[in-house]
Amino acid sequence: NAGVMQNPRHLVRRRGQEARLRCSPMKGHSHVYWYRQLPEEGLKFMVYLQKENIIDESGMPKERFSAEFPKEGPSILRIQQVVRGDSAAYFCASSQSRGSNYGYTFGSGTRLTVV
Amino acid sequence: DQQVKQNSPSLSVQEGRISILNCDYTNSMFDYFLWYKKYPAEGPTFLISISSIKDKNEDGRFTVFLNKSAKHLSLHIVPSQPGDSAVYFCAASVDSGAGSYQLTFGKGTKLSVIP
Repeated sequence: NAGVMQNPRHLVRRRGQEARLRCSPMKGHSHVYWYRQLPEEGLKFMVYLQKENIIDESGMPKERFSAEFPKEGPSILRIQQVVRGDSAAYFCASSQSRGSNYGYTFGSGTRLTVV
Repeated sequence: DQQVKQNSPSLSVQEGRISILNCDYTNSMFDYFLWYKKYPAEGPTFLISISSIKDKNEDGRFTVFLNKSAKHLSLHIVPSQPGDSAVYFCAASVDSGAGSYQLTFGKGTKLSVIP
């Protein structure tokens, strides 16, 4: 009965490197969301994906950030050429259907530190 | 432009007493409101939600009240237990128009229940 699995739990990158964050949704969930939490802030929506499709990326920074949810395998959030301001906790959530009325199930997050 | 506001960063309550966490919002298009609980180094856990067409929803020790005219909601926990100590996030959802129901989070209120 695994929940939403995110790895790694902690990731340290030097400025200019790439960060790849992975998210495996709950079994039977085909909707994946990525949220970012900066220090002392609430979570902020980044992107919503279904299998092989990006549905809503209105919260994604225009440059360096990309996300995918392939037919097989986990969803990936990719940050190229990381900067110190990318240091945050990145949470993935999944749901069975599009609506959020009953709440998503969140993973434990990946804490990215850029040094 | 913070659409969901939790003005109290922290709250301390004696065990057995009532905890009241407050949340204000500005966007009248929000259709669902949710409360999440978060422990350190974990992802948010869904607690309870309420539709914008209702004014109260109850689930065990947790009750959420919605005052649409005041754009205000509150979470009541009765009786409070030490295990309730966590950060509580208020969130609101709206159909983004881009095919997803984004959640907009407040910054959270840290609840400490004192034994």
